[in-house]
Amino acid sequence: ILNVEQSPQSLHVQEGDSTNFTCSFPSSNFYALHWYRWETAKSPEALFVMTLNGDEKKKGRISATLNTKEGYSYLYIKGSQPEDSATYLCAFMSYGQNFVFGPGTRLSVLP
Amino acid sequence: DTGVSQNPRHKITKRGQNVTFRCDPISEHNRLYWYRQTLGQGPEFLTYFQNEAQLEKSRLLSDRFSAERPKGSFSTLEIQRTEQGDSAMYLCASSLALKPGGKETQYFGPGTRLLVL
Repeated sequence: ILNVEQSPQSLHVQEGDSTNFTCSFPSSNFYALHWYRWETAKSPEALFVMTLNGDEKKKGRISATLNTKEGYSYLYIKGSQPEDSATYLCAFMSYGQNFVFGPGTRLSVLP
Repeated sequence: DTGVSQNPRHKITKRGQNVTFRCDPISEHNRLYWYRQTLGQGPEFLTYFQNEAQLEKSRLLSDRFSAERPKGSFSTLEIQRTEQGDSAMYLCASSLALKPGGKETQYFGPGTRLLVL
C-alpha cells in the first residue's frame, strides 16, 4: 500500500502571509504528482501536474516544486487571500497505477 | 457548463436500501473514475473505465458496489444493501487519455454526499 502524507493537516494564516505545505510520497517508481485545490461545496480543481525531478510550476501566487529522489513536493502560496481557503490535495502516481491521494492540508486564510 | 456533473448532490438513505449515483463526464473524455472520500482522508480510488470497459476495480469495491458506463458516456455507481460505513462523499472524475499509462489531469465533479442512517 502506497503511503502519501501531507503536512500540516491544517493551518490558519493571516491575509497577506505567505505559506507552504508538504506532500511526501514513495521515492521509488515515481511517475507523476498532481496538486488539487478543493473548496467547500465545489469540485476539486487541478493546479499542477509535475513529472520531472526539479520541476517548478507556477500559477499566479501559487507555485510548487518537486523532488522525486527524496520523495516530496512543496506547494507555496504567496500573499494568501481569503479566497485561497481550501483543502489542498496531492495525488501520487507510480507506473501503471492510479492516483493515490494524500489526506490534504486544510488552509484557512483569515481576513 | 461543460464540466463533470454528478447527481444527486446529497442522498440520505436507511441502512439496507439501494442507492444509485450518476456521473456525466466532460463529453470528449474517454476515461471515467470513481473515488470515495471520508472525513479526514483524501479521495480513495474505487474503479475506472476506458470508454465502456471497466478496467480496474479497487479492493475497496465490495460485491455490494457495481459501476457501469454502458455507452462510454455517463456512468452509474450503485450500492446495494447500504451500510452505515458506506457514508462518504463519492467523487467522479474524467480525463482524456491519448496513450496508455498517461499522466493526464483528471477533472472532478462536485461529488455526491451519501449518509446512511
